Amino acid sequence: ETGVTQSPTHLIKTRGQQVTLRCSSQSGHNTVSWYQQALGQGPQFIFQYYREEENGRGNFPPRFSGLQFPNYSSELNVNALELDDSALYLCASSSPASGRGGLETQYFGPGTRLLVL
Amino acid sequence: QKEVEQNSGPLSVPEGAIASLNCTYSDRGSQSFFWYRQYSGKSPELIMSIYSNGDKEDGRFTAQLNKASQYVSLLIRDSQPSDSATYLCAVNAGGTSYGKLTFGQGTILTVHP
Repeated sequence: ETGVTQSPTHLIKTRGQQVTLRCSSQSGHNTVSWYQQALGQGPQFIFQYYREEENGRGNFPPRFSGLQFPNYSSELNVNALELDDSALYLCASSSPASGRGGLETQYFGPGTRLLVL
Repeated sequence: QKEVEQNSGPLSVPEGAIASLNCTYSDRGSQSFFWYRQYSGKSPELIMSIYSNGDKEDGRFTAQLNKASQYVSLLIRDSQPSDSATYLCAVNAGGTSYGKLTFGQGTILTVHP
């Protein structure tokens, strides 16, 4: 157990809807990263939040957006859902204090499995 | 060319054997390297991190890094059926990629009794 929690565990939505996924970081960690993992693939980086600001973004469209709160928990919002958004969404928490200045280890939560019909 | 490449497998080894998992990466400036284990339907679990050239051992696991060859590997000694999982290689390029981990597609390992 990493201490990173995510909710909900599973979600079914229809195309065009919007979804919000939530993540609580491990105690002492101030950085949250979000990844999308399609079946049979490695996780793909969506974006990272550090102290409530976006700190890097992967190759995902603007309909993927996020927030980080003062307690370092985070939300991932996806608008206008498409069938290809069906995936396991992973949140990872980290802290520069736990590693080598920005290249710290990321610890994953259990994930949210999203199915878009 | 993919940024991080792994053989997808499946790699099948008998119980007690050494399993060797390999990973190559394209960004020569990459600074940190990780191996994660992922059981079916679960999230990735960190096994090893390595930052410097050479070997790093932790129990039955040894990570090897060769930055000149842009190659990182994971050896699992005395493989057990419970080691059967997908092994993900992840690389952090640092710099402007600051917090981004780039993953390979994973190698499926099966350890048979």
